[in-house]
Amino acid sequence: SQTIHQWPATLVQPVGSPLSLECTVEGTSNPNLYWYRQAAGRGLQLLFYSVGIGQISSEVPQNLSASRPQDRQFILSSKKLLLSDSGFYLCAWRGDANTGELFFGEGSRLTVL
Amino acid sequence: RKEVEQDPGPFNVPEGATVAFNCTYSNSASQSFFWYRQDCRKEPKLLMSVYSSGNEDGRFTAQLNRASQYISLLIRDSKLSDSATYLCVVNGPMAPSGAGSYQLTFGKGTKLSVIP
Repeated sequence: SQTIHQWPATLVQPVGSPLSLECTVEGTSNPNLYWYRQAAGRGLQLLFYSVGIGQISSEVPQNLSASRPQDRQFILSSKKLLLSDSGFYLCAWRGDANTGELFFGEGSRLTVL
Repeated sequence: RKEVEQDPGPFNVPEGATVAFNCTYSNSASQSFFWYRQDCRKEPKLLMSVYSSGNEDGRFTAQLNRASQYISLLIRDSKLSDSATYLCVVNGPMAPSGAGSYQLTFGKGTKLSVIP
């Protein structure tokens, strides 16, 4: 069966510090991968998605970036965090880019102080 | 107009009550629809897909009205464990023409609290 994991689960970072969140999927090949952010009191916002290794599409221009160095690995990064980057970050995968359901990782809760 | 719109609630209902959530979407080319459940400080999880003919899974019934671009979720005989936020999710083409890739758009969710 397929599983998805992301880490760290919780982190507190000062403004201006770097960020790296990692996500891996097991039990499937060539998944479509996604990074979402859920800010307090707001809906899920799609940040990046990837249909294959090295292929990244950005939905929202900001100080975050994403990379997919391996088929089942998706990384979310920032060189300098802002206060507004605080939120609940969710990695997700789906098999079929057009019809499949989305499966989420456990989430990473980021607080920027 | 918001792409996927839900009543944020909260809905506070007693155990055993029947509660209904509504959702409207703006993209008429949307192809598939889902309800997700999100517990406090947890990731969303698929509750059920929504089919054109309507579908039922135990105490949960989902319905779709494509003409009105409207989705509903009915929960019968509410349990304490049903307390969560319910997210309406719509899958549709990113381009207005309907071509190209599809993406999932999430509503902000409706919060349900089932009270003893």
